[in-house]
Parts: sequence; structure tokens; C-alpha cells
Amino acid sequence: QLQLQESGPGMVKPSETLSLSCTVSGGSISTIGDYWGWLRQPPGKGLEWIGTIYYSGTTYYNPSLKSRVTISVDTSKNQFSLKLTSVTASDTAVYYCARHKGYFQKFDPWGQGILVTVSS
Amino acid sequence: QSALTQPASVSGSPGQSITISCTGTSSDIGGYNYVTWYQQHPGKAPKVIISDVSNRPSGVSNRFSGSKSGNTASLTISGLQAEDEADYYCTSYTSTNTLGVFGGGTKLTVL
Repeated sequence: QLQLQESGPGMVKPSETLSLSCTVSGGSISTIGDYWGWLRQPPGKGLEWIGTIYYSGTTYYNPSLKSRVTISVDTSKNQFSLKLTSVTASDTAVYYCARHKGYFQKFDPWGQGILVTVSS
Repeated sequence: QSALTQPASVSGSPGQSITISCTGTSSDIGGYNYVTWYQQHPGKAPKVIISDVSNRPSGVSNRFSGSKSGNTASLTISGLQAEDEADYYCTSYTSTNTLGVFGGGTKLTVL
């Protein structure tokens, strides 16, 4: 059974870089047709897609965050990672990683989510 | 502002049916059959309830159904139950300068 688990600091200072990792277990991150995404949800607000990576390294980003986001993959560790630079309080959110199929289909499964608070 | 437009809230009484709309453009919903609907209960990760406009994954109640007309997708929940009270999100593939788009979410209240 495929499982995803986010990890990283729960608090980041304003203007610094938020870094998270997602470890995939129960399957291979190199599976053909599987895409790996990062999403977030500010407290009390809706879901926002941050970006997606394929095992080959091809990335797709939300245009509204593209200038600050880098997603990378480490197939040897079965992990993919998120870096979000120059964070502000508005980046405070629960961050999720999830697998999806090619045409932005079916984000499933999801990680449990990790709350990241931006505060000095 | 989300790329797909959903009503902020809908409500219904137990046993009734409700429909949540999700409006996009010809570059996303209108052009492709890659609409997914998610249900999210408080404090939980979202769950897929409808994929590819109208496909229901195994284990999802047949009270949930999806459809599409033009640039608008719809989620219908029949025989409302208290456990259906949750937030619902639609997504779609898009042919624009990104991969996909989300709706802003709809809060369903079961009266």
C-alpha cells in the first residue's frame, strides 16, 4: 500500500526558506505515469496546488508561486522535496504531498500533512 | 482567486439531494474530461470521490455522482447524510501555462 510522509521544520522565520521532504513507501517514485505533488492549505482556507514533479525531474509549478518554488526528486531515496523561498506569514499552512496521475487526475494517496508556521 | 469557481457554501436536509457546481473555461473543464472531486473533513487530508468527471472509485458511496456540461462540472450528492458535511473541491487539468487548477472549495452543511 502506497504511503507518503512529509517531514521538515514546523516553524520558519520570515524571509527564510521553507524546506520539506516527502518520503514514499510501499511503491516506487519512479513508477511510470505517477506524478508527485505538493499542495498546501492555510488555516481555515482552501487547498492550493504548489507544484508537481515526475521521476525524470520534469516539473510543473503554480504560476502564482513559481518564482519562489523549487521541487526536486531523489529516486535513490524514494523522496521528493519542496523549497519555498522568501516566506511570509501568508505561507503559514498545512503542507501536503500526494501522488497523482498524468492529467492532474486523482491526487491519491496523500500524506498526513505538516503544519508549517512562519513566525519570528 | 481560484481558477475554478465553486459556490462558497451549500446546505441541505438529511435525505435531500444537493448539487455543487464548478465552473471553468474551455481550456480546462470544457476541453477535457479530467475533473476530479475531493471531500475533506476537518483536520483530514482530502479524499477522491469522483474522477474523470463521473467515475466513482471503489468504496465511495453511489450517492455521489459527477457530470459535466460545457465549462461547468457538477457534483451531486443524493440522500444527504450527516457524514456528508464536509468541504468539497473540484480540480481540472488545464492546457494553459500550468498543469492543473483548483476550485476554491464549497462547504456543505447538513441541516
